[in-house]
Amino acid sequence: KNEVEQSPQNLTAQEGEFITINCSYSVGISALHWLQQHPGGGIVSLFMLSSGKKKHGRLIATINIQEKHSSLHITASHPRDSAVYICAVKDPDKLIFGTGTRLQVFP
Amino acid sequence: ETGVTQSPTHLIKTRGQQVTLRCSSQSGHNTVSWYQQALGQGPQFIFQYYREEENGRGNFPPRFSGLQFPNYSSELNVNALELDDSALYLCASSTRGAYTQYFGPGTRLTVL
Repeated sequence: KNEVEQSPQNLTAQEGEFITINCSYSVGISALHWLQQHPGGGIVSLFMLSSGKKKHGRLIATINIQEKHSSLHITASHPRDSAVYICAVKDPDKLIFGTGTRLQVFP
Repeated sequence: ETGVTQSPTHLIKTRGQQVTLRCSSQSGHNTVSWYQQALGQGPQFIFQYYREEENGRGNFPPRFSGLQFPNYSSELNVNALELDDSALYLCASSTRGAYTQYFGPGTRLTVL
C-alpha cells in the first residue's frame, strides 16, 4: 500500500465543471503539498497546507489531519487546468508523492 | 532572484554508461533534493544534500550518487545505467527545514 494515495487516477471534465481530487496518506506529516505538473515535466507548487483550508483563485485545498485526508477543488474548470495534479506529504525533510491525477478539461 | 535550473533538458544514453545531471538551486537555498519520476508515476525521493553533505536517502542503489558544491548547486551521478533508469529527474531546492521546495524543470533521461 502506497503511503500517499490519490483518486481518481484520471479525470475528464467539461469546461465549467466543479472538480475534486482526493488524497489520503498513512504517515505522520508536518505539511501536505498540492502540485501541478504540465506536459514536459515542470512542477509548480499550488498549495502547502498543515491545517484547514486555503483558496487561490479558482483553486481550493482542504485538509483533515485527523482523517489523514486532503482534497483539491477546482471551480469553473477551464481547458488550461488540464495537467497532472500531485499530492505530496513532508516526512520529515523529504517529500513523498502520490502517483498523481491526470485531469483533462474539454471545451 | 533566479529559479531552480537543471541541465541538460534531455539526454540519451545506452546501458552501462554513466551520466551526470546538474542542478542550480534558487538563490539563498542551501538544500537540494533529487527525485526520479518514471513515466506515469509520482516522483520518488533519491536523496537530499544540505551544506555539501548527504542528508537522507531513498531506496536507490549506490550507483546513484551525488554532490553538492559550496555554491549549493548539485550533481546527480548514475553509473552503470539500466533501462529502468529512464525517467524524468527533478531537483528541488529549499532552505533547511522549510516546508516549500522549489522544483526545476527536470532532465529527461532515456536509456537505450
